[in-house]
Amino acid sequence: GAGVSQTPSNKVTEKGKYVELRCDPISGHTALYWYRQSLGQGPEFLIYFQGTGAADDSGLPNDRFFAVRPEGSVSTLKIQRTERGDSAMYLCASSLIGAEQYFGPGTRLTVT
Amino acid sequence: GENVEQHPSTLSVQEGDSAVIKCTYSDSASNYFPWYKQELGKGPQLIIDIRSNVGEKKDQRIAVTLNKTAKHFSLHITETQPEDSAVYFCAAKDSSYKLIFGSGTRLLVRP
Repeated sequence: GAGVSQTPSNKVTEKGKYVELRCDPISGHTALYWYRQSLGQGPEFLIYFQGTGAADDSGLPNDRFFAVRPEGSVSTLKIQRTERGDSAMYLCASSLIGAEQYFGPGTRLTVT
Repeated sequence: GENVEQHPSTLSVQEGDSAVIKCTYSDSASNYFPWYKQELGKGPQLIIDIRSNVGEKKDQRIAVTLNKTAKHFSLHITETQPEDSAVYFCAAKDSSYKLIFGSGTRLLVRP
């Protein structure tokens, strides 16, 4: 079946702009995760959704970052007033509860 | 919190040789240890995982071993092929949902 999909694959934005990154999880997966990966490093946890609610957003770096999952499927990661330090690969993963996490292809965000 | 260290950071082997990547973790509560392969410009792909009630798991040319006492686990790839060239990440997870990743190993398989 279809895996996790993320759009856009690449996003270039100017410093100070607002961006939205979208994640479509594997059908039937109730758990959804966002991670951020800087160049040459492993992914770092941002936020976890169980259904529609954010069960843990402790990895979000500051209040410019926000994520939603209104219907328990698609999720959107929103970044306000982007900064050059936000440039990274943003990865989404989904899973059944307590099971293996499957990652999407990521969105490469570049803030100029 | 959990901390995962991975080495080596780079590994170059001749095609057909074996490759071993090692990771250590700090939290004794961690009980799930996946390995991911990431090719350039792509997301991490789960290749094998092991839970703490098992010491070893094998899938064709790939195997993972876990030593709970020493808090380390390893990925073994036998009969390496050029298409095995990628960055490999280990990770650890406790009873929660958060994966903590190592810093990655860049594997190069020379034809």
